[in-house]
Amino acid sequence: EAQVTQNPRYLITVTGKKLTVTCSQNMNHEYMSWYRQDPGLGLRQIYYSMNVEVTDKGDVPEGYKVSRKEKRNFPLILESPSPNQTSLYFCASSLLRTDHSYEQYFGPGTRLTVT
Amino acid sequence: ILNVEQSPQSLHVQEGDSTNFTCSFPSSNFYALHWYRWETAKSPEALFVMTLNGDEKKKGRISATLNTKEGYSYLYIKGSQPEDSATYLCAFSNAGNMLTFGGGTRLMVKP
Repeated sequence: EAQVTQNPRYLITVTGKKLTVTCSQNMNHEYMSWYRQDPGLGLRQIYYSMNVEVTDKGDVPEGYKVSRKEKRNFPLILESPSPNQTSLYFCASSLLRTDHSYEQYFGPGTRLTVT
Repeated sequence: ILNVEQSPQSLHVQEGDSTNFTCSFPSSNFYALHWYRWETAKSPEALFVMTLNGDEKKKGRISATLNTKEGYSYLYIKGSQPEDSATYLCAFSNAGNMLTFGGGTRLMVKP
């Protein structure tokens, strides 16, 4: 089954304790992306990647790192989480077309609480 | 940060009503406009991707139009059903492959 998986789905952690949220897709998609969703602010792009070893900042990259060592995986790393990173996080992937006519497939979401 | 706006923020309609809502986006450096449907407790799902001025897309009772020159897209739902209740998101794609989402329109259809 074609899917995007994220782990963990729920996480409560404390300020400053490094964490990684994994994202994996089995559709051989070039493009992968991380978003956070906050009430009243909609979905905001954190980082995206157009292929292995190619990553770019989105609208809100501060406090996050990503890596793309393999095509299928795109982990989101919070080196020193803070309470303002409490949010619902979505990973998404898609094919990459020159006219941008790609449909993104979203993972199930990770709800992160930083105390 | 690019400005993508959706209106209205929320909408209550009766079953059987037809409805529409708007997404406005920057008209410069346009590549694509996406529409997603997001049900509560689920993940967003793609409805349409439009790239050309004048594009019209249709999927069942849902259709969308695109005007890139003036920077807006409309989403129409004909004969709304309770299962259409969801948040509808639009997203603008520019040359840099970044995707900027609007705040969404939350639709509630009463039986």
